[in-house]
Amino acid sequence: QKEVEQNSGPLSVPEGAIASLNCTYSDRGSQSFFWYRQYSGKSPELIMSIYSNGDKEDGRFTAQLNKASQYVSLLIRDSQPSDSATYLCAVTTNYGGATNKLIFGTGTLLAVQP
Amino acid sequence: NAGVMQNPRHLVRRRGQEARLRCSPMKGHSHVYWYRQLPEEGLKFMVYLQKENIIDESGMPKERFSAEFPKEGPSILRIQQVVRGDSAAYFCASSTAGSSYNEQFFGPGTRLTVL
Repeated sequence: QKEVEQNSGPLSVPEGAIASLNCTYSDRGSQSFFWYRQYSGKSPELIMSIYSNGDKEDGRFTAQLNKASQYVSLLIRDSQPSDSATYLCAVTTNYGGATNKLIFGTGTLLAVQP
Repeated sequence: NAGVMQNPRHLVRRRGQEARLRCSPMKGHSHVYWYRQLPEEGLKFMVYLQKENIIDESGMPKERFSAEFPKEGPSILRIQQVVRGDSAAYFCASSTAGSSYNEQFFGPGTRLTVL
């Protein structure tokens, strides 16, 4: 079982719609959860961090965390073509004693159609 | 530029040569992490360093790879006797402290091509 799983996509949504990106993780001891955006050929850019159950909103982005279900999601409202990128879910885990290395999913490719 | 800096941005080496990748963390950050992204694969943790200390190298290949973060100067990821399988994007990230709650910010990466 992969430590962090994401649907690779592509997830195609029309401009102005809500894009919903999902991520599951295997380590119940995971403490911190991050969403990064990566444009093709570029480096990951941090867009959201979440540490406790519930929702966290920042502009058009909402991160949702459910530790009981080991599930974290990212909602992008009013999607724009400029949001087209790969979205990486990352988790910090206690595995191996290190609590701050990021474990990444393979990413979901989002395509926003104009 | 207050962001994480990496150089060179692109590096071409022939098989058997050495590659040295440099990373300067964001101002005020003293924790550095190296990640590797192979073509069509996800980002993989390699090593975590503080000044003059390697904290976690559980993701480093056992041979040919080494990392350091000296008291003065940038962190360096060194790959000896490169092979074609080392071709990848190498990203450095930094954070203010080593807690799992500390956000990590990435540099632009070094794209290594081994001929």
